[in-house]
Amino acid sequence: LAKTTQPISMDSYEGQEVNITCSHNNIATNDYITWYQQFPSQGPRFIIQGYKTKVTNEVASLFIPADRKSSTLSLPRVSLSDTAVYYCLVVDDKIIFGKGTRLHILP
Amino acid sequence: DGGITQSPKYLFRKEGQNVTLSCEQNLNHDAMYWYRQDPGQGLRLIYYSQIVNDFQKGDIAEGYSVSREKKESFPLTVTSAQKNPTAFYLCASSIDIRTRPEAFFGQGTRLTVV
Repeated sequence: LAKTTQPISMDSYEGQEVNITCSHNNIATNDYITWYQQFPSQGPRFIIQGYKTKVTNEVASLFIPADRKSSTLSLPRVSLSDTAVYYCLVVDDKIIFGKGTRLHILP
Repeated sequence: DGGITQSPKYLFRKEGQNVTLSCEQNLNHDAMYWYRQDPGQGLRLIYYSQIVNDFQKGDIAEGYSVSREKKESFPLTVTSAQKNPTAFYLCASSIDIRTRPEAFFGQGTRLTVV
């Protein structure tokens, strides 16, 4: 079963920063936190991964507090094409997806 | 180009028939996975393999079978024992689940059983 909890859906507007928070209270010491993006009828696409503190790449930032019981995916200046489902995963020896957050960007 | 290929993209089968979905990767990844996705739902893990000649059941393995005879290939057979096989099937691979857990996905196979 998925080890994460995240909001079912979120709405935002073009140009805004979007933050999606995920809780993973039972994360183990060696587990990684990863985020994926999925468009309809396509396979998920890896966005970012982290273990602790902050990670940034060309697409997003990932903030992980010291206790690692939650994480926040930050998408800067979203556009309509960022409308998708975003999955937060905690990876141990296999990759289990939860239900994801359906993000809808409005013009 | 390196990548992960699923075939066919669309598949139709009659009820009671077994069907095999193909998944091939040329990324030299050790780990491979099969997921099922139903409309409006998240992905559910069917089977996964961390190394050649070894695989483990995921959350919904009943009615499915796999093999991992080659590193590049991880075919999934949907058997007649699967009660509701119509779904979108996704295959993925990753380098090493512990140190590089990011997975690369194929484009999926949409199976319809009539």
